[in-house]
Amino acid sequence: AQSVAQPEDQVNVAEGNPLTVKCTYSVSGNPYLFWYVQYPNRGLQFLLKYITGDNLVKGSYGFEAEFNKSQTSFHLKKPSALVSDSALYFCAVRGFTGGFKTNFGAGTRLFVKA
Amino acid sequence: EAGVAQSPRYKIIEKRQSVAFWCNPISGHATLYWYQQILGQGPKLLIQFQNNGVVDDSQLPKDRFSAERLKGVDSTLKIQPAKLEDSAVYLCASSSLRTNSPLHFGNGTRLTVT
Repeated sequence: AQSVAQPEDQVNVAEGNPLTVKCTYSVSGNPYLFWYVQYPNRGLQFLLKYITGDNLVKGSYGFEAEFNKSQTSFHLKKPSALVSDSALYFCAVRGFTGGFKTNFGAGTRLFVKA
Repeated sequence: EAGVAQSPRYKIIEKRQSVAFWCNPISGHATLYWYQQILGQGPKLLIQFQNNGVVDDSQLPKDRFSAERLKGVDSTLKIQPAKLEDSAVYLCASSSLRTNSPLHFGNGTRLTVT
């Protein structure tokens, strides 16, 4: 069965500093990997995805993520955090079995302090 | 393009009552999903439709939950009778048929069962 782990419930970072939100996954075969962001009282919003090719993918709002097959990780990164980046972030994996079901991690709350 | 529409935004019911949620996906999206998001957890897939057929409903509590997607467009999720543990946000999402396409979420319905 496929699954996603986000080991940190919360990440705290000062504005202007780089941020990393961690994600590891378990799936049979090659995965599709996604990051979503959720603001209060809103649905999830797509940030970026890894399908194949370059291990560093770039997405919305200056976010990027690095795919590491040997470590089965897909960490979300941003070179310089903004207060407005404070939100709940979800990593998700989609495998090639079971109707391409998408499984989400438990989420990591990012808090950026001014 | 118009996003995924969900209604109502909020619903408060007593246990053992019934409730229904409605979702209208992005035009042209063949795949529609219902997720349950309990506070502090990631979204859990309840049911996935492709057009008007069910692809996955393995985590749908079928003794009390039902969903339909007539004509392959909008969808309704029903709970009857509701339990206290059904208190959650119910998210509808849609995507195109491409296996690497991201999910587009509505703003969700927050259900409180008292």
